[in-house]
Amino acid sequence: NAGVTQTPKFQVLKTGQSMTLQCAQDMNHNSMYWYRQDPGMGLRLIYYSASEGTTDKGEVPNGYNVSRLNKREFSLRLESAAPSQTSVYFCASSEYRQGHTGELFFGEGSRLTVL
Amino acid sequence: GDSVTQMEGPVTLSEEAFLTINCTYTATGYPSLFWYVQYPGEGLQLLLKATKADDKGSNKGFEATYRKETTSFHLEKGSVQVSDSAVYFCALPLYSTFIFGSGTRLSVKP
Repeated sequence: NAGVTQTPKFQVLKTGQSMTLQCAQDMNHNSMYWYRQDPGMGLRLIYYSASEGTTDKGEVPNGYNVSRLNKREFSLRLESAAPSQTSVYFCASSEYRQGHTGELFFGEGSRLTVL
Repeated sequence: GDSVTQMEGPVTLSEEAFLTINCTYTATGYPSLFWYVQYPGEGLQLLLKATKADDKGSNKGFEATYRKETTSFHLEKGSVQVSDSAVYFCALPLYSTFIFGSGTRLSVKP
């Protein structure tokens, strides 16, 4: 099993450019997440999708949009990149049933630099 | 609200030293508790978990006991190795998401 696959792994953008980070999972999980990781800040939740067809804001949603394309895929879009969005982005998935969230499975991360 | 407070790092130890990384939580009820590990250049992966009070999670020589009296889930290992160098995160599920601690970087010197 591939688990959670993110693309691209590295990207350099100029301020104002747009891009989409792609994420796919093959574990048939119903919940998917996008986190960003910055030095000294731990992990911060950007957006999540508890189930196919739903998306919700996390702790730091400003400047991002998401699409839950189907049960497998959850993309993160930066419409107009800013230097403050320089970070490592992680996609994750889990199974959420009966009010309980199971183990999170993470992708390898996408390192984004905005100049 | 629910929260996780984790010992700040970095922690530097010599090989075969004893490791403790503190984690305390605030939560409604008794949720499952998790420790995740992030090796250099990789995503996070589950290290261990405990699903109810007094449970002990263990994996790769690491242990953590879910203590409701002290609302703690401290990570311990009796003898660390260079290969244990990583960042460790305590985590608490909250509805359909997770709350993560700030992470503790561990460096083990030979």
